[in-house]
Amino acid sequence: QQQVKQSPQSLIVQKGGIPIINCAYENTAFDYFPWYQQFPGKGPALLIAIRPDVSEKKEGRFTISFNKSAKQFSLHIMDSQPGDSATYFCAASLMGTSGSRLTFGEGTQLTVNP
Amino acid sequence: KAGVTQTPRYLIKTRGQQVTLSCSPISGHRSVSWYQQTPGQGLQFLFEYFSETQRNKGNFPGRFSGRQFSNSRSEMNVSTLELGDSALYLCASRPGQPGDTEAFFGQGTRLTVV
Repeated sequence: QQQVKQSPQSLIVQKGGIPIINCAYENTAFDYFPWYQQFPGKGPALLIAIRPDVSEKKEGRFTISFNKSAKQFSLHIMDSQPGDSATYFCAASLMGTSGSRLTFGEGTQLTVNP
Repeated sequence: KAGVTQTPRYLIKTRGQQVTLSCSPISGHRSVSWYQQTPGQGLQFLFEYFSETQRNKGNFPGRFSGRQFSNSRSEMNVSTLELGDSALYLCASRPGQPGDTEAFFGQGTRLTVV
């Protein structure tokens, strides 16, 4: 019930393309869904996040689409650039007063070719 | 504001030994979480400390332990190291107040067990 499934495992696009990464969760109690970006040798950094009462959130070139009934959410990267080449992780969490723990997807290695 | 600092960055240990990793959270943050990152298992939650108390724990054996000091700095200890403990250990800090969401990750400690 705590799993988050992420696909695809790897993705290669041309510069300017729109890579889409999908995640599915099982626990309907999750109330916070962030996406993290990780470059080699670095820790993950928060990219964008959404709460389940919103169906879409856009920040710059990054958009999260959220489908509560299907228990799925996805990341779209508009006008992708070679600098976006990184590993992307979706995650889900319960943001309660008793603390929080992030449950991560398996990760997607994105390569944007020039 | 300084980010999350983890020391050391790299460690090589022998099977059977024990190891202690350190994490200094962002100033003012009281919640520190630890994650293990491996190619096979991805990012997995170890535990969370808040105000010197463990308030969340993941599914890891008792060889993995942690603590938090009054200045919010945290240490994690792994005893009787196994080859499978080789991983990137990441620390994340948050303010720890109800409703706060973003977790800020350090660069991690790369542990190699030989």
